[in-house]
Amino acid sequence: DGGITQSPKYLFRKEGQNVTLSCEQNLNHDAMYWYRQDPGQGLRLIYYSQIVNDFQKGDIAEGYSVSREKKESFPLTVTSAQKNPTAFYLCASSEPSGATDTQYFGPGTRLTVL
Amino acid sequence: DAKTTQPPSMDCAEGRAANLPCNHSTISGNEYVYWYRQIHSQGPQYIIHGLKNNETNEMASLIITEDRKSSTLILPHATLRDTAVYYCIVRVARWTSGSRLTFGEGTQLTVNP
Repeated sequence: DGGITQSPKYLFRKEGQNVTLSCEQNLNHDAMYWYRQDPGQGLRLIYYSQIVNDFQKGDIAEGYSVSREKKESFPLTVTSAQKNPTAFYLCASSEPSGATDTQYFGPGTRLTVL
Repeated sequence: DAKTTQPPSMDCAEGRAANLPCNHSTISGNEYVYWYRQIHSQGPQYIIHGLKNNETNEMASLIITEDRKSSTLILPHATLRDTAVYYCIVRVARWTSGSRLTFGEGTQLTVNP
């Protein structure tokens, strides 16, 4: 099955600890994204990557870091500098070719800071 | 990206067609209409998109008015599993730097048995 996988589904972290969220896609998409969703809120873009070894900050990058060493993988690290990390994290990918670049989402990781 | 307006909630009987409206009166000529849905605690799911012609796929049909100022998403035979928040998004299709998706309030569709 082609798609996007995120792991784990639920993650608990103690305050002050860094944690890494996994995102893998086998859709052969060039572009990948990380969004954050808070209860009752829309999506906010954290980081995005258009191609391997390149990534850009989104609207709320402070306290987060990413890497894009492989086309299929785009892990997100939530650092201790992120003041309010409890949220639902969504990874997406797209293939910006042709007329449209539809974004497809993974199932999400719900992070709770204890 | 153009702003969209959707009703906050709708109900539909199982097996009947669900028609979800969206107003996008400020849409530009190069902007597409996209529909996504999000079932509680899951990632958003892409449904369909279109520019000006009506579109149909295995999930739904998209009807766009001739002036493109509004559209309707049609789920032809709604099931209980179609209960979700449905988002209508208008955006430029081609890649631009930081091509982010902006979700509005959406419509909570509840399919009743």
